[in-house]
Amino acid sequence: DAKTTQPPSMDCAEGRAANLPCNHSTISGNEYVYWYRQIHSQGPQYIIHGLKNNETNEMASLIITEDRKSSTLILPHATLRDTAVYYCIVRPGANNLFFGTGTRLTVIP
Amino acid sequence: GAGVSQTPSNKVTEKGKYVELRCDPISGHTALYWYRQSLGQGPEFLIYFQGTGAADDSGLPNDRFFAVRPEGSVSTLKIQRTERGDSAVYLCASSSPLGQGNTGELFFGEGSRLTVL
Repeated sequence: DAKTTQPPSMDCAEGRAANLPCNHSTISGNEYVYWYRQIHSQGPQYIIHGLKNNETNEMASLIITEDRKSSTLILPHATLRDTAVYYCIVRPGANNLFFGTGTRLTVIP
Repeated sequence: GAGVSQTPSNKVTEKGKYVELRCDPISGHTALYWYRQSLGQGPEFLIYFQGTGAADDSGLPNDRFFAVRPEGSVSTLKIQRTERGDSAVYLCASSSPLGQGNTGELFFGEGSRLTVL
């Protein structure tokens, strides 16, 4: 499975966009990019996933570079409830997920 | 509820004892996963079931750990001769197959916190 690299921590002002980067330079053609987040003391929660094209849902947008070696998760208007650890994961098809250490996002009032 | 249910939510045991952790997946989900999470770390994959069979058990740390899913629904993670290093939150997740309109996302339970004294 391709490894991912994320910054260990980031801050974002409440109401501003949070842009969380992820490098996955060894990703292969059949691997999807998934994002999950984990709020303190809860199980991880699915956010979004994509293969090649940019994706948007009610929670976030996912921007994948053309060469697919990196991606950015965008939370358009961060709230205090978005404070969590965000995991970027590459996953081949329907196989299991391997989590890294993620980015701890702190939304500041 | 309709989510993944894990019991017990907390378990304290003594070193050397046997422990069972139970996971009730979302109804109809064919895939079931076990992870464990230590403080400050991301979830560590243990085992993945597709139906009744273990599709990938490469994450089980040693032969003290075993998991079953006899009827393709409820799963039990079994830990023999527990050690202090087994202390962690054990997370269970379930999913529908990727495709057919499904995202393949994993739905996680709240976890079972195991403390080995």
